Amino acid sequence: ETGVTQTPRHLVMGMTNKKSLKCEQHLGHNAMYWYKQSAKKPLELMFVYSLEERVENNSVPSRFSPECPNSSHLFLHLHTLQPEDSALYLCASSQDWPGVNTEAFFGQGTRLTVV
Amino acid sequence: GEDVEQSLFLSVREGDSSVINCTYTDSSSTYLYWYKQEPGAGLQLLTYIFSNMDMKQDQRLTVLLNKKDKHLSLRIADTQTGDSAIYFCAAKLDSNYQLIWGAGTKLIIKP
Repeated sequence: ETGVTQTPRHLVMGMTNKKSLKCEQHLGHNAMYWYKQSAKKPLELMFVYSLEERVENNSVPSRFSPECPNSSHLFLHLHTLQPEDSALYLCASSQDWPGVNTEAFFGQGTRLTVV
Repeated sequence: GEDVEQSLFLSVREGDSSVINCTYTDSSSTYLYWYKQEPGAGLQLLTYIFSNMDMKQDQRLTVLLNKKDKHLSLRIADTQTGDSAIYFCAAKLDSNYQLIWGAGTKLIIKP
């Protein structure tokens, strides 16, 4: 398997649930990202991991908790979410961070609905 | 903060050229990108242009950069139904290499 793979593709969860999103990359990249995509809004960078260390956290609420156990895997743990957190969550990877010309490769995303 | 703006929708007839426009605020942006997102899929890099270039052509795609006006455009020649997607413009900041994204332009193809 190649590229960036995200599971699950769709997730519906209640506001009191705890769930996790998973991302896996088989590209040998050193950097991985979580983005939030909401309709008609720019992509929002949530977290960046470089060599398994968190290097960016863009004022994301603590109900989102990332984890990067190794350079190939990235998780986003979710708990007590709000309906406004419903969105498409995209994982991406790139060769390095930061980089002058580092192409980001994206997964297909997890469509999250909070009810 | 830095900003990238795009129109949300563009409708063109099949076979015509599509021109998707983008403006950005950071004049020191080093690289400017166009990504394509097909329905149900993640974003895929289409093309990019370095800030010292005015134009880049790749088959049906032409990217034009006007640094003075901070305006970027993507022209798709002979638009096909397979070009239906959302097209995102992104600018890489010179200061920290972070990408600043537009909201995406949905390209609608009319038969």
